[in-house]
Amino acid sequence: GAVVSQHPSRVICKSGTSVKIECRSLDFQATTMFWYRQFPKQSLMLMATSNEGSKATYEQGVEKDKFLINHASLTLSTLTVTSAHPEDSSFYICSAGRDRGYNSPLHFGNGTRLTVT
Amino acid sequence: GQQLNQSPQSMFIQEGEDVSMNCTSSSIFNTWLWYKQDPGEGPVLLIALYKAGELTSNGRLTAQFGITRKDSFLNISASIPSDVGIYFCAGHDSNYQLIWGAGTKLIIKP
Repeated sequence: GAVVSQHPSRVICKSGTSVKIECRSLDFQATTMFWYRQFPKQSLMLMATSNEGSKATYEQGVEKDKFLINHASLTLSTLTVTSAHPEDSSFYICSAGRDRGYNSPLHFGNGTRLTVT
Repeated sequence: GQQLNQSPQSMFIQEGEDVSMNCTSSSIFNTWLWYKQDPGEGPVLLIALYKAGELTSNGRLTAQFGITRKDSFLNISASIPSDVGIYFCAGHDSNYQLIWGAGTKLIIKP
């Protein structure tokens, strides 16, 4: 089945530093990947749609300069949290589908727990 | 943002009991998806539904795409301890946006 790998699984960083999170599709090519943020005991909140070879599409209220997304290849998308602050501490999850269409269900990475001190 | 109405919010059941949860929306959906999320991990796809009326099973799990296209349910038969977790419904609305339910937390009493 489809496998999406996310790295790192946990990261602790100091306030003001930047953190990069990688999302890889291991056995399929993903022209589109999605980045979510999840607060404790809440559902997933879509942050942005990552498109291979073009700019990401950000959801309303998500700062594109703070959450930099790069989708350089068909198997890799990265999310960089720039100048992280404690309020950025959260669980970040990526997902991808085999096809761009909605008939291709999303498979998720295992998430990255970011703690900013 | 838009969210599906998922219920119940949480369930406390005895091992071996059947479980039922559902999601409803005020508008028509094109797909319904059910995911399970364990603590500290990403959601795992359980069942995907694509046609109104579709009934699909995955082991002890059964889900249906409501005939009105505005609801879906997930049933788990003969629950076991490893079924604990949070179950999310999700679906693509008429604009093909993926909308999520708030989740159902399943707790099983041994």
